[in-house]
Amino acid sequence: EAQVTQNPRYLITVTGKKLTVTCSQNMNHEYMSWYRQDPGLGLRQIYYSMNVEVTDKGDVPEGYKVSRKEKRNFPLILESPSPNQTSLYFCASKPGQGYEQYFGPGTRLTVT
Amino acid sequence: GQQLNQSPQSMFIQEGEDVSMNCTSSSIFNTWLWYKQDPGEGPVLLIALYKAGELTSNGRLTAQFGITRKDSFLNISASIPSDVGIYFCVVRDNYGQNFVFGPGTRLSVLP
Repeated sequence: EAQVTQNPRYLITVTGKKLTVTCSQNMNHEYMSWYRQDPGLGLRQIYYSMNVEVTDKGDVPEGYKVSRKEKRNFPLILESPSPNQTSLYFCASKPGQGYEQYFGPGTRLTVT
Repeated sequence: GQQLNQSPQSMFIQEGEDVSMNCTSSSIFNTWLWYKQDPGEGPVLLIALYKAGELTSNGRLTAQFGITRKDSFLNISASIPSDVGIYFCVVRDNYGQNFVFGPGTRLSVLP
């Protein structure tokens, strides 16, 4: 089944403890992206990647890191999480030239 | 960064009613997309609009790309309970692959 998977689905952590949220897609898509969703704000793009070893900042990149060493994986790294990064995170992928993004099921992160 | 405005923020309608919602921007965009997010899920693409003035349908959904390229409209006819969710308009930055989502319209359908 064609899909985008994220792990973990739920995470509660403490301020300053480094964490990684994994994202993987099995559709051979060139483009992958991370979003955060907060009430009343829609989804805001954090980082995106056009292909392996190519990443760019979205609208809200501060406090986040990404890497794209393989085409199928695009992990999101929070080196020192803070409470304002408590949010619902979505990973998405799409073919390089298309517009339709396929979203993962989301990761709900709480930072205390 | 760019901002999109969606109205209404939320709406409660009776099953069988038609629904209209819109999305506006202060900037021109060449592609407008409408996504729906079911409760507890990621967004799913409903309709893509590529040409100013274009009117596109997908079943009971109809969307239009405004002639000024600064707005778009989504209509749902004869609503049903599974139409419940959040509807987002989305544009792609004209210079790259940065996608901007509107704040969403939350739709509730009463039986």
